[in-house]
Amino acid sequence: DQQVKQNSPSLSVQEGRISILNCDYTNSMFDYFLWYKKYPAEGPTFLISISSIKDKNEDGRFTVFLNKSAKHLSLHIVPSQPGDSAVYFCAARLNNAGNMLTFGGGTRLMVKP
Amino acid sequence: DSGVTQTPKHLITATGQRVTLRCSPRSGDLSVYWYQQSLDQGLQFLIQYYNGEERAKGNILERFSAQQFPDLHSELNLSSLELGDSALYFCASSVLLNTEAFFGQGTRLTVV
Repeated sequence: DQQVKQNSPSLSVQEGRISILNCDYTNSMFDYFLWYKKYPAEGPTFLISISSIKDKNEDGRFTVFLNKSAKHLSLHIVPSQPGDSAVYFCAARLNNAGNMLTFGGGTRLMVKP
Repeated sequence: DSGVTQTPKHLITATGQRVTLRCSPRSGDLSVYWYQQSLDQGLQFLIQYYNGEERAKGNILERFSAQQFPDLHSELNLSSLELGDSALYFCASSVLLNTEAFFGQGTRLTVV
């Protein structure tokens, strides 16, 4: 039973345009959500997070939106750059569960010059 | 470089064998986590240690065990290996239980 799902295995975007990566979850007890970026031959790197009490968090070119009623979150990257090409993982955490994260399957983003 | 060191980077072994994966956390980090990334299961949480004590267990098989030593490094022991154990094994560390976790580069285990 996948509690966190990323339904798009891949996404291709032109440089300078917006990239939107989506994530759905089923467990309403998740209270903290994170996005990680992963390059080949490297471990996941933390990108941005959002608490369940917020609906938006922004950090530079990266913005995460959370829609609790729909159990959906999205990561927006504006403008997209070729260096953003990587696999992006959505992850969720239960309250006080530390870094016991439940990850989605990942979305491979390709930003074309 | 996240500061988390995992050795070895690659490991090829036969079914039925036992291997040990090693993780050195970032300097100052007290908590260590192990994750498994297989082709069909994605990234799955295995186990968490904090300052030498086991704090949480995920989908870790009974054939797998781990520990965190007094110097805070951790080892993941995988025994009676099966073909399905082939995966990337990631270690991550954080200062405290709820602070940002930093992942190592992973150990790619291939069971033949």
